[in-house]
Amino acid sequence: GNSVTQMEGPVTLSEEAFLTINCTYTATGYPSLFWYVQYPGEGLQLLLKATKADDKGSNKGFEATYRKETTSFHLEKGSVQVSDSAVYFCALCVIGKLIFGQGTELSVKP
Amino acid sequence: GAGVSQSPSNKVTEKGKDVELRCDPISGHTALYWYRQSLGQGLEFLIYFQGNSAPDKSGLPSDRFSAERTGGSVSTLTIQRTQQEDSAVYLCASSLKAREPGGRGTDTQYFGPGTRLTVL
Repeated sequence: GNSVTQMEGPVTLSEEAFLTINCTYTATGYPSLFWYVQYPGEGLQLLLKATKADDKGSNKGFEATYRKETTSFHLEKGSVQVSDSAVYFCALCVIGKLIFGQGTELSVKP
Repeated sequence: GAGVSQSPSNKVTEKGKDVELRCDPISGHTALYWYRQSLGQGLEFLIYFQGNSAPDKSGLPSDRFSAERTGGSVSTLTIQRTQQEDSAVYLCASSLKAREPGGRGTDTQYFGPGTRLTVL
């Protein structure tokens, strides 16, 4: 079946620290991969996506590379800000529906 | 342009009552999706529509849940005889066209703000 496993949170970092949130997936077929972000009190927003192997998605300083050989799509940012505090969801899409990981809460302290 | 809108934003109901949740997708988007976000279960897929048809209803948790879409636009999710375990945030999303076998179609789904349902 199709599933997504994310690094468990919460993750607490100091401002300007390096961020990695691990995401691995299992899929039948050839999925597209996504990171969505949910800021406190707000709805889900698309952060970045990749549709084929070796594609790199990027947005707002965040990056993730579609690694088919390791079935991974790890999220990285070189220098986090307090405003990046949110819950991050990794997801895959094979046919129609999105399948989400459990979410990783990130808290960035000044 | 306008995003996905949902109404009501909050709904409090008594156990056993029926509720209707509404979703208005982005104009021009032919695919519409319903998800549920709860503390214990995370984000779960419920059902999606391509046009007015529902190719995948596999996520509906019981026959108390139903959804319809008319005119290829607005969708309504109905929960009959609500139970306390139905309490959650119900999210709607839309995309240009649902991804099909073989990879055609558009994956990127844009979410509405959600309806928070509380069953007392």
